[in-house]
Amino acid sequence: AQSVTQPDIHITVSEGASLELRCNYSYGATPYLFWYVQSPGQGLQLLLKYFSGDTLVQGIKGFEAEFKRSQSSFNLRKPSVHWSDAAEYFCAVGVPPGKLIFGTGTRLQVFP
Amino acid sequence: DAGITQSPRHKVTETGTPVTLRCHQTENHRYMYWYRQDPGHGLRLIHYSYGVKDTDKGEVSDGYSVSRSKTEDFLLTLESATSSQTSVYFCAISGEAGVVRETQYFGPGTRLLVL
Repeated sequence: AQSVTQPDIHITVSEGASLELRCNYSYGATPYLFWYVQSPGQGLQLLLKYFSGDTLVQGIKGFEAEFKRSQSSFNLRKPSVHWSDAAEYFCAVGVPPGKLIFGTGTRLQVFP
Repeated sequence: DAGITQSPRHKVTETGTPVTLRCHQTENHRYMYWYRQDPGHGLRLIHYSYGVKDTDKGEVSDGYSVSRSKTEDFLLTLESATSSQTSVYFCAISGEAGVVRETQYFGPGTRLLVL
């Protein structure tokens, strides 16, 4: 069965520090992978997506993610976190016929 | 931002009461989705629609029904609300039929409390 695991429920970093959010997926075919961000009280916004080609994907707000098939991972990274990045982050895998399976999310807290 | 609105944005109701949530889009997208978001579960798909009058179940469809009589509107109905249906409900839309890689755009959410 398809699934997405985000092992870290809550992460705290200092402003300016680097960030890596982990995502592991289970899917039998070539995965279509997404990262979404949700600010408090808001809907979800797409950060980036991967479906083929270069395994390092660039997104909005300075985020990037790397697809590693051998590790079934799609980790999200940012070299220097800003206070405005505090939010909840969701990894998802796309399955036919156009549905998304989400992970449980990682809440990011940023200290000044 | 994609043109998606949800109404109401907040609702408090009592157990056993019927409730209908509305999702309205101005993008003329074919696919529409209803998710619920609960702590520790992320977002889970309730129902989705791939066209007018064409709907299908998601992973948590029990206790919910949907209808889509127009491209722009997708209604979610709780026939008899229960406390376990207290949640935040999100509508999403997607542009391409059957294309897994297409981005889904989310509405602002409806916060429902069932007492």
